[in-house]
Amino acid sequence: DQQVKQNSPSLSVQEGRISILNCDYTNSMFDYFLWYKKYPAEGPTFLISISSIKDKNEDGRFTVFLNKSAKHLSLHIVPSQPGDSAVYFCAASADTSGTYKYIFGTGTRLKVLA
Amino acid sequence: DGGITQSPKYLFRKEGQNVTLSCEQNLNHDAMYWYRQDPGQGLRLIYYSQIVNDFQKGDIAEGYSVSREKKESFPLTVTSAQKNPTAFYLCASSSAPGHPFYEQYFGPGTRLTVT
Repeated sequence: DQQVKQNSPSLSVQEGRISILNCDYTNSMFDYFLWYKKYPAEGPTFLISISSIKDKNEDGRFTVFLNKSAKHLSLHIVPSQPGDSAVYFCAASADTSGTYKYIFGTGTRLKVLA
Repeated sequence: DGGITQSPKYLFRKEGQNVTLSCEQNLNHDAMYWYRQDPGQGLRLIYYSQIVNDFQKGDIAEGYSVSREKKESFPLTVTSAQKNPTAFYLCASSSAPGHPFYEQYFGPGTRLTVT
């Protein structure tokens, strides 16, 4: 049972335009969400996070939006740059017997076209 | 430079052989994790350890074993009991697994191919 879903396996966007990556979750107990970026043959690197008490968090070109009623979060990248081409994973954390563990989505491959 | 190292980057083994993947961190993190990534799937948690000499099974622990004798090291053994061992393996560490937000730092990964 996939608790965190990224339904778009890939996305292509023109350089300078907005990239919107989506993530849906099923567990209402999730209270923290993160986005990771991963280049081929490398480990993921942390990008941005949001707590369930907020609905928006910004960091430079990256903004994450959280809609708790819809159990949906999205990552906006504006403007998109060719170096943003990577796989993006969303992850959600939940308390599991006193330890917070992350559940990762399947990833969306973003390609920014020059 | 602080970080996580995994070696080797590529590993090839024959079916039926056990193989151990190395993971070392010099970030002074208490917690360490092993994930597996398969095509079209997210990162799935194999084992994690919050402190030296203690570890817990993740979601897909069958066919794997770990040890945590030192804070810096968390090796993963893929045993012959693992039915589909070919995958990309990622090691991670973090400082505060008891909080809802803790950034996990990932190593570069080891791609294991078993034939």
